[in-house]
Amino acid sequence: QSALTQSASVSGSPGQSITISCTGTSSDIGGYKYVSWYQQSPGKAPKLLIYDVTYRPSGVSDRFSGSKSGNTASLTISGLQAEDEADYYCSSYRSGGTLVVFGGGTRLTVL
Amino acid sequence: QVQLVQSEAEVRKPGSSVKVSCEVSGGTFDSYGFSWVRQAPGQGLEWMGGIIPIFDTTNYAQKFQGRVTITAAAFRTTVYMELNGLRSEDTAVYYCARGGYELFSALDLWGQGTLVTVSS
Repeated sequence: QSALTQSASVSGSPGQSITISCTGTSSDIGGYKYVSWYQQSPGKAPKLLIYDVTYRPSGVSDRFSGSKSGNTASLTISGLQAEDEADYYCSSYRSGGTLVVFGGGTRLTVL
Repeated sequence: QVQLVQSEAEVRKPGSSVKVSCEVSGGTFDSYGFSWVRQAPGQGLEWMGGIIPIFDTTNYAQKFQGRVTITAAAFRTTVYMELNGLRSEDTAVYYCARGGYELFSALDLWGQGTLVTVSS
């Protein structure tokens, strides 16, 4: 069982927007701004999409955005494209134990 | 272009150890921290621990305390992860990844992954 909770799957049609949520506790997501999101295509290493809740690294499309409310962080992908089909993982700093925790991952299917 | 280049796939027997390397190619070494993250077949990502080479400080996930050792060889710009007491559940792809001076920083550069298979 993963430390952070993500829905197993989500789907959307090209051009639509989808949101992936990631729920933790006040010891991780709720208490700190150190939430990251990663995209992983089959057989590839993860790629950083969002860091510190809302920031995009250089080169990441502005169709990807992050937010947080309480103990839940969210990744929104707008203008869905076929190439967005992948697994998405959230990650957070956690106090009082293992420093970094991941969600179980959400598989995005573009219909 | 900076790359993290990991060692080749390994096969080990239960109870043995494995040491995986990660070389920072084409970039600086001392300005970052490095984490190890593993992924069992069909499963999610799991943080194992990390090191900040310039300070030679490490931090390990509770689950792996006492079984994993992460080291760095600055002159080779290489980070290592050694896992002892291998069991079948340790079969996974092991990734090294670059972050900031805080080991909980986002991981902005990843190695290609090293498959470790534990089988008798």
